[in-house]
Amino acid sequence: QKEVEQDPGPLSVPEGAIVSLNCTYSNSAFQYFMWYRQYSRKGPELLMYTYSSGNKEDGRFTAQVDKSSKYISLFIRDSQPSDSATYLCAMSGVTGGGNKLTFGTGTQLKVEL
Amino acid sequence: DTAVSQTPKYLVTQMGNDKSIKCEQNLGHDTMYWYKQDSKKFLKIMFSYNNKELIINETVPNRFSPKSPDKAHLNLHINSLELGDSAVYFCASSNTRGAGTNEKLFFGSGTQLSVL
Repeated sequence: QKEVEQDPGPLSVPEGAIVSLNCTYSNSAFQYFMWYRQYSRKGPELLMYTYSSGNKEDGRFTAQVDKSSKYISLFIRDSQPSDSATYLCAMSGVTGGGNKLTFGTGTQLKVEL
Repeated sequence: DTAVSQTPKYLVTQMGNDKSIKCEQNLGHDTMYWYKQDSKKFLKIMFSYNNKELIINETVPNRFSPKSPDKAHLNLHINSLELGDSAVYFCASSNTRGAGTNEKLFFGSGTQLSVL
């Protein structure tokens, strides 16, 4: 079993839909939770960053962390075709020099007109 | 102005050859990384350097040798390339200053390595 599990999709939604992306994990030492967005033939870019449990909102994006269930989510409201990308969850349990992120395999999202 | 730049973008080579990938960051970060992304998009860390010092070395064949001449540069040299080395290699950087900043990685655009 992988430390971080993520449904690879692909997930196809119409423009304007609410998108829910999820990851589960097994390592209870994880404290930092991130979502990266990766466009085709590009490097991942940090989208959302959360420490410990709770919600964080940034524009159309909301990240949720439930440490008791070892479950994290990313919600995208009013999805746009420009949101079409692969979304990677990532997490870590250590901060300071040489931190190692553990990534999910990514969910491919396509937002259609 | 590209924050993390790596060259070349594409690398096609024969089995058994030796090749290098270069990476530079202009963000003033003190930690740099090499990640490997396979065909299923799975990203896995290979190495990490903090201020030119190797601090993470995952289970990577010793044919892979990173070198950091200064904290803004991290190169990856690969000897005796094998078919299984075909992947996209990403360079990344981050800062260790302040709680939680080290998790915020900035990635380059990747080097697509194809070994024939």
